[in-house]
Amino acid sequence: DGGITQSPKYLFRKEGQNVTLSCEQNLNHDAMYWYRQDPGQGLRLIYYSQIVNDFQKGDIAEGYSVSREKKESFPLTVTSAQKNPTAFYLCASSMRTSGREEQYFGPGTRLTVT
Amino acid sequence: AQSVTQPDIHITVSEGASLELRCNYSYGATPYLFWYVQSPGQGLQLLLKYFSGDTLVQGIKGFEAEFKRSQSSFNLRKPSVHWSDAAEYFCAVGARVGGTSYGKLTFGQGTILTVHP
Repeated sequence: DGGITQSPKYLFRKEGQNVTLSCEQNLNHDAMYWYRQDPGQGLRLIYYSQIVNDFQKGDIAEGYSVSREKKESFPLTVTSAQKNPTAFYLCASSMRTSGREEQYFGPGTRLTVT
Repeated sequence: AQSVTQPDIHITVSEGASLELRCNYSYGATPYLFWYVQSPGQGLQLLLKYFSGDTLVQGIKGFEAEFKRSQSSFNLRKPSVHWSDAAEYFCAVGARVGGTSYGKLTFGQGTILTVHP
């Protein structure tokens, strides 16, 4: 069954620690995305990647980093520089990034930092 | 830059009643438009999309949406709501970023739908 896997579903960390969120897809999609969701704010784009070894900052990239070493994987690291990291994080993928393509979403990871 | 406005943060309807969720967009050219649905604690699922052609678009779960260029709107409708339709609904516009070949989706803030029995 093709889809997007995000793990874990819930993640707890202490303030000051970096944490990496996993995202894997077996849809053979070229493009992958990370969004942050906060209540009442919709989805905000953190980073996106069109091809392996290439990625671009989205609207709220400060305090986050990504890598794209494999087509199937696009991990997101939430660094200690992110001032308000507690949120619901969604990974998505699409065939390309022209803006015309439907994006497929994973189930999300809820990160709580205390 | 493109933007999306969903004027209604929360809508409550009775089961069996009709539904219309509003979406207004801002974009200079013909937009690509999407409606997604999200159940609590879950990812987003695509309901329908508009690229060109017929301005009335049919989607899954009995939903439809109408693109009105003159009003910059893409409202979502369903003639008879079921209790299982309770969820959060997001409108999105897809467009290229500046002069690059990259595109992205810009999402509205979402509308939470509550269905009363």
